[in-house]
Amino acid sequence: GENVEQHPSTLSVQEGDSAVIKCTYSDSASNYFPWYKQELGKRPQLIIDIRSNVGEKKDQRIAVTLNKTAKHFSLHITETQPEDSAVYFCAARGPNDYKLSFGAGTTVTVRA
Amino acid sequence: GAGVSQSPSNKVTEKGKDVELRCDPISGHTALYWYRQSLGQGLEFLIYFQGNSAPDKSGLPSDRFSAERTGGSVSTLTIQRTQQEDSAVYLCASSGDPYGYTFGSGTRLTVV
Repeated sequence: GENVEQHPSTLSVQEGDSAVIKCTYSDSASNYFPWYKQELGKRPQLIIDIRSNVGEKKDQRIAVTLNKTAKHFSLHITETQPEDSAVYFCAARGPNDYKLSFGAGTTVTVRA
Repeated sequence: GAGVSQSPSNKVTEKGKDVELRCDPISGHTALYWYRQSLGQGLEFLIYFQGNSAPDKSGLPSDRFSAERTGGSVSTLTIQRTQQEDSAVYLCASSGDPYGYTFGSGTRLTVV
């Protein structure tokens, strides 16, 4: 099955700086890559996703890039704010499946 | 319903007892998933139901774990003879298409 690795496991940034989280996946046929944000004690929520026919997608201060050749994708958060502090999970899905395989998560702390 | 509903929100049980966790997905969503999240860990896939197809049980950690989905809607995850290592948050999600899950708030299971 699909194997997703996520780095770093923790990330501390100064408010206003950028944060970057990277994920690699094993199945070259995977075609859907969502990112979820989980605030403390709450459910994971989808914040952005990208499909394999697109190299980059932006939504305000967040963006995701996909490199299919290298089988990796990244989440970029610009102008970080305290409310960006959370655990972020990347995921990947194969072509014949609804099931997502998740990375281990990155705990992001934004220092005021 | 408007969202994915899980019950109970918290469950404390004695080691060796059986527990049932319930998930009520978003109306019309054909796919339903169970994940487990241990303290500070990522999302571990357990089982996945898609329409009337046989469920994907490849993530169930032992034969003490089982799940069913009645009438293509509500699902129950059953853990028999609970062990302390079963303590975790059990998350249910549903989706109506291949893109993006909606998660429930989870059931926090504590085995004492």
